[in-house]
Amino acid sequence: DAKTTQPNSMESNEEEPVHLPCNHSTISGTDYIHWYRQLPSQGPEYVIHGLTSNVNNRMASLAIAEDRKSSTLILHRATLRDAAVYYCILRDLRGGADGLTFGKGTHLIIQP
Amino acid sequence: DGGITQSPKYLFRKEGQNVTLSCEQNLNHDAMYWYRQDPGQGLRLIYYSQIVNDFQKGDIAEGYSVSREKKESFPLTVTSAQKNPTAFYLCASSIVPGSTDTQYFGPGTRLTVL
Repeated sequence: DAKTTQPNSMESNEEEPVHLPCNHSTISGTDYIHWYRQLPSQGPEYVIHGLTSNVNNRMASLAIAEDRKSSTLILHRATLRDAAVYYCILRDLRGGADGLTFGKGTHLIIQP
Repeated sequence: DGGITQSPKYLFRKEGQNVTLSCEQNLNHDAMYWYRQDPGQGLRLIYYSQIVNDFQKGDIAEGYSVSREKKESFPLTVTSAQKNPTAFYLCASSIVPGSTDTQYFGPGTRLTVL
């Protein structure tokens, strides 16, 4: 799977929007962009994924650049419960069930 | 409620002992996975299984063994050959093996070898 680059940490205030960036300049045409998050001392949970078009669900929005070399996870109104490590992961459509490749992710800190 | 259970939550063992971590899912998922996480790091894949009675090595399989005798169960044994077994172990499953498929994770087992 192609590599992703994320900032080590970000800080935001409660009830404000948060934009978490991810760079994936070597992304291939068959790579999906997935986001997971991990709350302290818990297993990761799925947030959202997309291929080319922007995606929305009840947890977040995913904005994908036109050239697909970067994407942004948007939390529209952060709460204290959104404090977690957020992972941006690429998955090749042609690949099998060989697991997810996690980097170090972005540690999101939410200030009250 | 459907989900993945891992037991125990905390596990302590003496150096040189084998230990088996439990992972059970009632989601009727075909694929199951084991990951290891060290402090401040992302997850690394140990083993995965796409179907009953079949499993594949991941990136860091040395010192670990698994079995998949039942669809709902995928136990992981940490053997004495694993040089640094103290870590947070996470089990996951997905409906079918596939790149766009969501993985569902259990709560994890924190293993400490004394």
